[in-house]
Amino acid sequence: GESVGLHLPTLSVQEGDNSIINCAYSNSASDYFIWYKQESGKGPQFIIDIRSNMDKRQGQRVTVLLNKTVKHLSLQIAATQPGDSAVYFCAENMGGGGADGLTFGKGTHLIIQP
Amino acid sequence: ETGVTQTPRHLVMGMTNKKSLKCEQHLGHNAMYWYKQSAKKPLELMFVYNFKEQTENNSVPSRFSPECPNSSHLFLHLHTLQPEDSALYLCASSQDRRSNQPQHFGDGTRLSIL
Repeated sequence: GESVGLHLPTLSVQEGDNSIINCAYSNSASDYFIWYKQESGKGPQFIIDIRSNMDKRQGQRVTVLLNKTVKHLSLQIAATQPGDSAVYFCAENMGGGGADGLTFGKGTHLIIQP
Repeated sequence: ETGVTQTPRHLVMGMTNKKSLKCEQHLGHNAMYWYKQSAKKPLELMFVYNFKEQTENNSVPSRFSPECPNSSHLFLHLHTLQPEDSALYLCASSQDRRSNQPQHFGDGTRLSIL
């Protein structure tokens, strides 16, 4: 079946380095994608989103890249800080101007090494 | 402050008990959602309400009963739950279910079934 997934369950990076978290999706009709960050004991927190008519979108220290040809989504975090340690989820909203909720991947646990 | 508040944060109940989870959003949104988050699994959509009307029941057992008295409040009534229902239950809201806008989550209720 169609699903949203993440390539790596755990990613360990040095503090100050850039982090790249990847996500593959299989539903070609998906037209909206979101990245969430979930810290221990908290709910998912919105980071950045991108619509399918865009290839790239930048926020504060974060960049999302969308490659529709290979159905790939990535989140880049610049100058990683200890506070970036969390589980990161990508989610897709299937086409049609909205869906009944989002389809989430399993998440990647980002670990920041001092 | 997430704008979405869930109570209680933790709940322990026996299989014969009846309890309710509460969610309140202060964002002026019109769509509200219940998700279940189990260990090592993606978030699972349970119910969707749009303008107080239930628009999605994602094959959820009848021992879970949602209620949405207005666009700001959402309840999840629980009765005769099973041990496998132990999980983090997350509430989210968005502008409405048709727009590609991010969902904003509460911090969840950690439910343990004895």
